Amino acid sequence: GNSVTQMEGPVTLSEEAFLTINCTYTATGYPSLFWYVQYPGEGLQLLLKATKADDKGSNKGFEATYRKETTSFHLEKGSVQVSDSAVYFCALSSTQGGSEKLVFGKGTKLTVNP
Amino acid sequence: GAGVSQTPSNKVTEKGKYVELRCDPISGHTALYWYRQSLGQGPEFLIYFQGTGAADDSGLPNDRFFAVRPEGSVSTLKIQRTERGDSAVYLCASARNSRTPGANVLTFGAGSRLTVL
Repeated sequence: GNSVTQMEGPVTLSEEAFLTINCTYTATGYPSLFWYVQYPGEGLQLLLKATKADDKGSNKGFEATYRKETTSFHLEKGSVQVSDSAVYFCALSSTQGGSEKLVFGKGTKLTVNP
Repeated sequence: GAGVSQTPSNKVTEKGKYVELRCDPISGHTALYWYRQSLGQGPEFLIYFQGTGAADDSGLPNDRFFAVRPEGSVSTLKIQRTERGDSAVYLCASARNSRTPGANVLTFGAGSRLTVL
């Protein structure tokens, strides 16, 4: 079945460091790929998405490129801030049984220290 | 409303009791999803509504779990004879239109944390 595997955390970085959180997926067909973020005490929010191969999603300085050949959607940011501390979830959108639903990875907790 | 509202935010109950969790989606969103998030895990799909009908309930773990959306807006997740293993955060999400692949951006509520003692 469809699944998402993402880098286990926690990840701790200093402010202005470079961030990569790896995400690979297994899916039939052509899923859409997403990164969601969960800030402390808040609900899941969409960070960025890509709907087809070679698309790049970007938002708030974060980027991820849909790589079909490596079945990956790694999240990157060139210079993290303390306010980026959160849990990040990679997800794919699959259409099975007539409905489209998200399948999530386990999440990666990021802590950015000043 | 402006966002997806879930009540209660926290619920503590005893093993064997009945629990209802409520979700009030964004006005006009026809698609509604329930997910369950256990500690240290990503959200797991439970059930999806398109309008009033449950279009996909393949994620419900067993027949103790049931959800309704009688008027196509508010939804209630019902858990009978709760067990300790049901302890988790139950997330609700809504979307404007689920029929366009990849365009289905889900807006999540803050969740209802259920603790079964």
